[in-house]
Amino acid sequence: DAMVIQNPRYQVTQFGKPVTLSCSQTLNHNVMYWYQQKSSQAPKLLFHYYDKDFNNEADTPDNFQSRRPNTSFCFLDIRSPGLGDAAMYLCATSRGNRGSTDTQYFGPGTRLTVL
Amino acid sequence: AQTVTQSQPEMSVQEAETVTLSCTYDTSESDYYLFWYKQPPSRQMILVIRQEAYKQQNATENRFSVNFQKAAKSFSLKISDSQLGDAAMYFCAYVGSQGNLIFGKGTKLSVKP
Repeated sequence: DAMVIQNPRYQVTQFGKPVTLSCSQTLNHNVMYWYQQKSSQAPKLLFHYYDKDFNNEADTPDNFQSRRPNTSFCFLDIRSPGLGDAAMYLCATSRGNRGSTDTQYFGPGTRLTVL
Repeated sequence: AQTVTQSQPEMSVQEAETVTLSCTYDTSESDYYLFWYKQPPSRQMILVIRQEAYKQQNATENRFSVNFQKAAKSFSLKISDSQLGDAAMYFCAYVGSQGNLIFGKGTKLSVKP
């Protein structure tokens, strides 16, 4: 089945130790998104790629970076994780163009713990 | 700026009964989409139902239906014949010309056997 895959599902890192989260998709969608979701809160958009065009949300900390080496893969890099970065990180994809109202399809998420 | 409001942090329903989750939104756009997503505990967020603003007919997906009132900017979700597997956090979401999903804060639905 076509899907959005996130690895790992659970990630534990130490305070200040860089960590990379991975997302892949078999939907061949143009747009990929990264969201941060803290406990009992709605997902918060960090950034998205339309194809290779990177779009950062204004309030996304510089500590968060992203890479999209090809259509299928997108990575979230947290350069120096703090305790406040512990959260579920959701990857999503959509088919369409910038400004499209296409449905977003979510991966299962990676739960990040920072010790 | 667009906003989405879910005024019910928690709801409870008896198995086999019907429950309605409320959602209101604010926008100056005329063309947009509205969604209900379901997120079970520790599980994936999945799309429940989607409504195009230009369509007057309310969307329906099996036991799930919406009451879309465009003038009132209201988009409620009705779950009929509730099942234990319906227990989850439900998020109402809006997407407009910017293409970014704007979520409400969510409603936690419990289903009692």
